[in-house]
Amino acid sequence: GQQVMQIPQYQHVQEGEDFTTYCNSSTTLSNIQWYKQRPGGHPVFLIQLVKSGEVKKQKRLTFQFGEAKKNSSLHITATQTTDVGTYFCAGPPDSNYQLIWGAGTKLIIKP
Amino acid sequence: AAGVIQSPRHLIKEKRETATLKCYPIPRHDTVYWYQQGPGQDPQFLISFYEKMQSDKGSIPDRFSAQQFSDYHSELNMSSLELGDSALYFCASSGRPENEKLFFGSGTQLSVL
Repeated sequence: GQQVMQIPQYQHVQEGEDFTTYCNSSTTLSNIQWYKQRPGGHPVFLIQLVKSGEVKKQKRLTFQFGEAKKNSSLHITATQTTDVGTYFCAGPPDSNYQLIWGAGTKLIIKP
Repeated sequence: AAGVIQSPRHLIKEKRETATLKCYPIPRHDTVYWYQQGPGQDPQFLISFYEKMQSDKGSIPDRFSAQQFSDYHSELNMSSLELGDSALYFCASSGRPENEKLFFGSGTQLSVL
């Protein structure tokens, strides 16, 4: 079936280091959305990318959507403790509306 | 700004009991989604409604049913509860049916004992 693979499952970083999570879909997506879920919280929408090859930035966060609209990445520069949480990608295949979710990447800041 | 409201926040039930979860979407949002999230897992889509009609169905067990009412609030009814139903249940709403960004409620933590 249609699925979105997201790696890594966990990433431990020192505060100030960079963080990247990758998503790869088995099918072309009409858009890709990124959500952040803090521990004990609910998913919060971060951004949506629609165009092939699109790159968007939000302060220290950089989001990319691949040329084939099948992969995406989120890169955080110089992580801070407020970045802790699980980052999910999700997107609807071209063929229907329902979002397919990646398994999430948990960002952990080492003490 | 108004957010998605879910009730109750926590619910404890015993096996074979029933439970009803409620969701009030953001005003003027016409699409509601229900998700189930187990510990350390991604949200699993259960069912969605657009303009009070079921628009899509995911991995919702036959023991569960849901509906969206005329005021756009939605209820998820869960019967014959099993231990494996223990999870966080999120409701989300959006303003369009084409899965534009979702706004999630704070969730209902269901524990089945």
